[in-house]
Amino acid sequence: SQQGEEDPQALSIQEGENATMNCSYKTSINNLQWYRQNSGRGLVHLILIRSNEREKHSGRLRVTLDTSKKSSSLLITASRAADTASYFCATDGGFKTIFGAGTRLFVKA
Amino acid sequence: DTAVSQTPKYLVTQMGNDKSIKCEQNLGHDTMYWYKQDSKKFLKIMFSYNNKELIINETVPNRFSPKSPDKAHLNLHINSLELGDSAVYFCASSQDLGWASGNTGELFFGEGSRLTVL
Repeated sequence: SQQGEEDPQALSIQEGENATMNCSYKTSINNLQWYRQNSGRGLVHLILIRSNEREKHSGRLRVTLDTSKKSSSLLITASRAADTASYFCATDGGFKTIFGAGTRLFVKA
Repeated sequence: DTAVSQTPKYLVTQMGNDKSIKCEQNLGHDTMYWYKQDSKKFLKIMFSYNNKELIINETVPNRFSPKSPDKAHLNLHINSLELGDSAVYFCASSQDLGWASGNTGELFFGEGSRLTVL
């Protein structure tokens, strides 16, 4: 089964609101990444957080990692219509990257 | 300059046919991958190659045969296509294999090839 599971599966918010997506995983990891996929496009790397880090920021993105709970969250602040996309967490599984099922975010203008 | 490019973007074909998807990366990466994304957006790894050598083969039917003529190219050939092969196939590359210390493990994806089998 998938290493990472995102929650919620879908999220609809108004422009300007914050969006929070959660990811849970099953086995211990070295790193966790978040990717974005716009409709009909490939995935684009957003941010990486290492297992010894608890929080990381990049622009309007904030990622947290709780290795004791095997979970991570991605917060997008002051969302924009252009943030509408699917967001995936990804964890390391040996020589491969394993993706969760994704959260579909819809930001209404 | 597209970093990871794959062709064709769309492929519509009949059951039983054979088709190929090509992928090229100009990032100088050592590792390339094929992922399959189904209609529910689940993304599953199929193969990975490191310096032209097959590293991962994720219990994919042997109708799928990857070929890496050099480390910048990874093609996917599919024989005897079945309805269940309909999906979006993504090529990706990374600088190194795995997530060892010092590697970010960041994947660079192509735009995808949507295969529809009728």
